[in-house]
Formats: sequence, structure tokens, C-alpha cells
Amino acid sequence: TQLLEQSPQFLSIQEGENLTVYCNSSSVFSSLQWYRQEPGEGPVLLVTVVTGGEVKKLKRLTFQFGDARKDSSLHITAAQPGDTGLYLCAGLQVAAGNKLTFGGGTRVLVKP
Amino acid sequence: DAGVTQSPTHLIKTRGQQVTLRCSPKSGHDTVSWYQQALGQGPQFIFQYYEEEERQRGNFPDRFSGHQFPNYSSELNVNALLLGDSALYLCASRGLRTDTQYFGPGTRLTVL
Repeated sequence: TQLLEQSPQFLSIQEGENLTVYCNSSSVFSSLQWYRQEPGEGPVLLVTVVTGGEVKKLKRLTFQFGDARKDSSLHITAAQPGDTGLYLCAGLQVAAGNKLTFGGGTRVLVKP
Repeated sequence: DAGVTQSPTHLIKTRGQQVTLRCSPKSGHDTVSWYQQALGQGPQFIFQYYEEEERQRGNFPDRFSGHQFPNYSSELNVNALLLGDSALYLCASRGLRTDTQYFGPGTRLTVL
């Protein structure tokens, strides 16, 4: 059982469409990180959200941390083929010695 | 400035064999963590090393062991390989005063 549940597991959309990926947990995290991973590579950090209710924007990507610091979402506006990849959320628990727990990932395919 | 490097890139072993994977952290980083990522899943935390000692461990059997050297590089050893050990093994490093981990490209281990 994943401590962090991501949904959907797979998303296929056309270029220009919007998409949202969700990351949910019953646990509280000190912070939540979003990564993107491409085939044959390690995950690359996109953003870290720390404060409950926090919203961060990175160009066409908008990240939100839930008020209770248990869930998060990633919204991509006007998706492009370059956004294709595996999106991973990861929760950090400082009380557990900075242990990072990953969700199962959402595979996003943006078709031209 | 080189990022996190891992070797080898790919490895094929048979059941029952032993394997050693290597990781060099990003310059200035002293903490190394290892993760196992099965196909289609998110990374699972194996253990973390700091000051040449294992500081945290995930839910992995004793067949998985590690080491950190004085230059902060690290090894992951897996004994008595099982088919289920086939996965991408990721190494991540971070500095003492930061929560941000940087991942290497991983070692793809196939157990036949």
C-alpha cells in the first residue's frame, strides 16, 4: 500500500489541453516535492511546497499544497509534447529523519 | 560541476548471484540515499548513509546492504538475487542543510 496515492496512473492528452495530477495521503508531511522523470534518467525536482495552502507556479505548471499538508495537485496548462514524462510526488517527513516517500507516479503522454 | 553519477548503467545477473552498485554524490554533498524503482512504479526508499553509517532504512531485507566511504561515495550490495530484484536502482545525494535531493541516472539491474 502506497503511503502517497497518485491519480490518475496514466494520462494521454492532445497538445494544448490542460491536465491535473493528484497526490493524496492520510499522513501529514513537512513538505511535498514534485519530480519529473524521463526514460533512462533519474527524477528531477520541479518544486517543493512547504506551507499548507501554498500555490507555486513554474511557467505553465501550477502546484498546490493542501491546507492540511496531506495532499497536493499539479496542473499543467496548454500541455506540450515536451511535458511528456513520469510525474512523481514525494512527501518529506522531518520527524522521520528527512525520509522521502514517493507516490506511484503518473505517466503523462502529450500527443502533438 | 558533475552531478550524481552511478555505475554501471546496466547490469544483468542470474538468480542467487551478488551485485554491487556504485554512486558518487554531487560535489559538496555528504548524504547519500538509495532507492529501488520497479517498472511502472515510484521509487522505494532502501536506506540512507551519512558519515559512513546507515542512518535510516526502508522496508528491505538484510540481503540489501550498503557502505559509504570517506569521500562520501557509496555502494549498494544485494546478495542472493531474486527475480523480483530486477529494477532501476537510484542514488540521490544532498547536503547537510538542505532537503533537496539530486538523483543520479540509475543502474538498471536485470535478474534472470
